[in-house]
This record gives sequence, C-alpha cells and structure tokens, in this order.
Amino acid sequence: DAGITQSPRYKITETGRQVTLMCHQTWSHSYMFWYRQDLGHGLRLIYYSAAADITDKGEVPDGYVVSRSKTENFPLTLESATRSQTSVYFCASSGATGRVSNSPLHFGNGTRLTVT
Amino acid sequence: TQLLEQSPQFLSIQEGENLTVYCNSSSVFSSLQWYRQEPGEGPVLLVTVVTGGEVKKLKRLTFQFGDARKDSSLHITAAQPGDTGLYLCAGAQGSGGGADGLTFGKGTHLIIQP
Repeated sequence: DAGITQSPRYKITETGRQVTLMCHQTWSHSYMFWYRQDLGHGLRLIYYSAAADITDKGEVPDGYVVSRSKTENFPLTLESATRSQTSVYFCASSGATGRVSNSPLHFGNGTRLTVT
Repeated sequence: TQLLEQSPQFLSIQEGENLTVYCNSSSVFSSLQWYRQEPGEGPVLLVTVVTGGEVKKLKRLTFQFGDARKDSSLHITAAQPGDTGLYLCAGAQGSGGGADGLTFGKGTHLIIQP
C-alpha cells in the first residue's frame, strides 16, 4: 500500500540501550522529517532530510542520529536511550518542489517509545 | 524560535454548537497550516493559508489568516462528534522555504458530545 509507515508501533526499552525507529514512504518524496510529540510541548522537530544523503538538525537533535541512504527510508536511532526520550515519535514526508512550508506534511501513525 | 499559542487548550461542547479556536503569534508567518489528529494516528492536513486576510472553507470549517499574518482562527459550525480531535496549527517563517519543517502549536483538544 502507498503511504508512510512507521515501525514498530510500540517499543519499550531500557535506559542506555540503542534503539532504532523505522520510517518508510512509497511516494518518493524528497523531504522527510522526524518529530516527537509530548504533552505540554506539542510536536517538535528532531531532524529532517531534503534528499538522500542530506540531513540536518531540527529543534531537539541531541541524543538522536539519522541517516538517509535511500530516498524512501529515514531511520531514527537513539544511541543511548534516556527516560527523557520517552515520547511518541512521528515521521513525516513532503513532496514539495517549491516552498516546503506551503506543502502538506504526510505523517505516519507514530511510534510510542517508553524508556524505563 | 517563533512561538504559536493555541487557545483554548481544551474544549468540550455539545453537538450542534458553534466554536472557534485560535492560533496566535507575535511573529509573522509566510504561511500557516491546520492539521487534525485523532488518537493513535498522525496529524492530517486540513488547510494551508498563505495570504493575509485569506479565508478558506472546508464544509463546516472556516479558516482565516490574519491580515498581518500573525494569527489564524478555525471556526466550526454545527459541530458533530466526528469533529472530535486535536487541532494543530503550524507555521513557517522567513524566506527559507520552510525546509526545516514547521513550528507547531501545542494544539486544541476538542470533544464534541452527542
């Protein structure tokens, strides 16, 4: 099915462990984004990518690593998970060719991560 | 970082009533988007407004972008239980095209009771 899919939907991990959240889109969109959503903070941008092999930091990048070797995949890795990284993580893509801000973001259904 | 304040944070009303939610900032935005998010799902775009003073309608939903492009409102007429959800506004600032993503407000949690 076409769209943007995230896996896993739910993940529980321990402090200090490495965990990778996956994001796959079938639209061949150039732009991909990772947001985290927390009560009281709303959606905050972690990292984004304008194309394969091009990534850049967002508002809250510390403790996260991303890569984009293929256009369709944009994994997010927590190198050493901390309790403060407990959150719901959303991946999004945009097919913008002009101003990205005028184009819709297409979100996945999120990964709920709990760090114990 | 530009700040988007949404109000009210929570709103619970009866089916059939009208309501307005607001998205305000002290900064000027080049464009503003409204999304709706249902539990367990990602946000889904409702509308994008670009021009100051612009009004867009989506069935019973009316969106307005302020003349100065610092604020926006969403008005729902005759609310229905299916309108229940988290409404998010998101803005882009500057001439960079917004490639670094949008800044989101914290959202308005709307519950429409049958």
